[in-house]
Amino acid sequence: GENVEQHPSTLSVQEGDSAVIKCTYSDSASNYFPWYKQELGKRPQLIIDIRSNVGEKKDQRIAVTLNKTAKHFSLHITETQPEDSAVYFCAAWATGNQFYFGTGTSLTVIP
Amino acid sequence: KAGVTQTPRYLIKTRGQQVTLSCSPISGHRSVSWYQQTPGQGLQFLFEYFSETQRNKGNFPGRFSGRQFSNSRSEMNVSTLELGDSALYLCASSLGAGKETQYFGPGTRLLVL
Repeated sequence: GENVEQHPSTLSVQEGDSAVIKCTYSDSASNYFPWYKQELGKRPQLIIDIRSNVGEKKDQRIAVTLNKTAKHFSLHITETQPEDSAVYFCAAWATGNQFYFGTGTSLTVIP
Repeated sequence: KAGVTQTPRYLIKTRGQQVTLSCSPISGHRSVSWYQQTPGQGLQFLFEYFSETQRNKGNFPGRFSGRQFSNSRSEMNVSTLELGDSALYLCASSLGAGKETQYFGPGTRLLVL
C-alpha cells in the first residue's frame, strides 16, 4: 500500500517568516493530495489540495507544489502569523481507494 | 449547510466493553469515512461507506465495524475494548466516493480504562 512520510514533525518560525512542510509518497499512481490544518482541540480542516495534473497551486499565503517524478509534495506558508500555529497533515489518495495521511507537523509561529 | 456532526463527543469506557459512535454527514454527502487519530500515528483509515455499502477497510481488527443508513448517517462500533483503543475517532464526509474532498467532524474522544 501507499506510504506517506511527512517532515519535519515540529517546526518553529518567527512571525513573518516562511514555513515549508514536505511529504513524500511511495505509490506513483497516487493522484490527489490534500493538506489539512488541525488546531488544538478542533477538527482537521482542508486548507489546500492539488491533483496530479498540476504542479503548483496557490491560495493567498498558502501554496502547494507537487513533484510527481520525485514523488513529493510540499506546503508553503508565507508571511506566517500566530494563527497559523497548528498541526498540519498531508494526505495522498492511492490506488487502494483510501487516503493515507502523514503523521503531522506541529507548526509554532513565534510572535 | 451544517457541518459534519459526531456524537458523543467524549466517552469513557472500561476494557471489555463495547462502544458505538455516530456520525451525521453534511446534507447531500453520501460517503462517510472513519479514522482513528492517536499521538504520533496521525490519522489511520478505518473504513469508508458509500450508499450503505462498505467500500474499503483499513488494517484494523474485526472488533472494529461500521454501517451506514439510508440517510447516509453512519455508526462505528468497537467491541471488546482494549486500552490501546483510546483515541480520537474522526469521521469525514464527502459528496461521492473516491478522491473527493473530505470534511471532518469534531471527533469522539474515547478513553478506555
